[in-house]
Amino acid sequence: GAVVSQHPSWVICKSGTSVKIECRSLDFQATTMFWYRQFPKQSLMLMATSNEGSKATYEQGVEKDKFLINHASLTLSTLTVTSAHPEDSSFYICSARDARTGATNYGYTFGSGTRLTVV
Amino acid sequence: AQRVTQPEKLLSVFKGAPVELKCNYSYSGSPELFWYVQYSRQRLQLLLRHISRESIKGFTADLNKGETSFHLKKPFAQEEDSAMYYCALSGHNQGGKLIFGQGTELSVKP
Repeated sequence: GAVVSQHPSWVICKSGTSVKIECRSLDFQATTMFWYRQFPKQSLMLMATSNEGSKATYEQGVEKDKFLINHASLTLSTLTVTSAHPEDSSFYICSARDARTGATNYGYTFGSGTRLTVV
Repeated sequence: AQRVTQPEKLLSVFKGAPVELKCNYSYSGSPELFWYVQYSRQRLQLLLRHISRESIKGFTADLNKGETSFHLKKPFAQEEDSAMYYCALSGHNQGGKLIFGQGTELSVKP
């Protein structure tokens, strides 16, 4: 079945530094990937939609310059949290959409998430 | 505006009891509705999709367009059903993105 690999699974960084999170579709091509943020025992909040070869579409209230998204290939999207601050500490989850007909999971496969802690 | 509402943050039942996790949605059009489950320390997994009308792990969900609801039901809860459950919506004019409800934590006690 479709697998999405997200790396790293956790990261601790100092305030002011930047952190890059990778999301890879392992056995399918993902023209669209989605980035979510999740607080403990709360919902997944969509941050942005990442389209291969074009600029990401950000949801209202999400800072584009803060959360840089790059989707340079059909199997890789990256989220870079720039100049991280403690309030950016959260669980970040990516999802890749398999556009193939008959794709498992009806097209949406989630990564295992990245726990970011900014100290 | 598109919205998914799960009114219960926590639902606690005893093993063998019936379970109903509520989900209401707001969408101008014909959405696709999903239920996702997140077990402890695991990634989000698809549980149900309204179009498929199937039963997974004993769970069913019926789309009620009149009440704009997609409640998740199981007649006899098991301890292994304890998890976070998320109702989600996808619309044809949304570029495929999923909008999630707030989630309901189901706790099944022995």
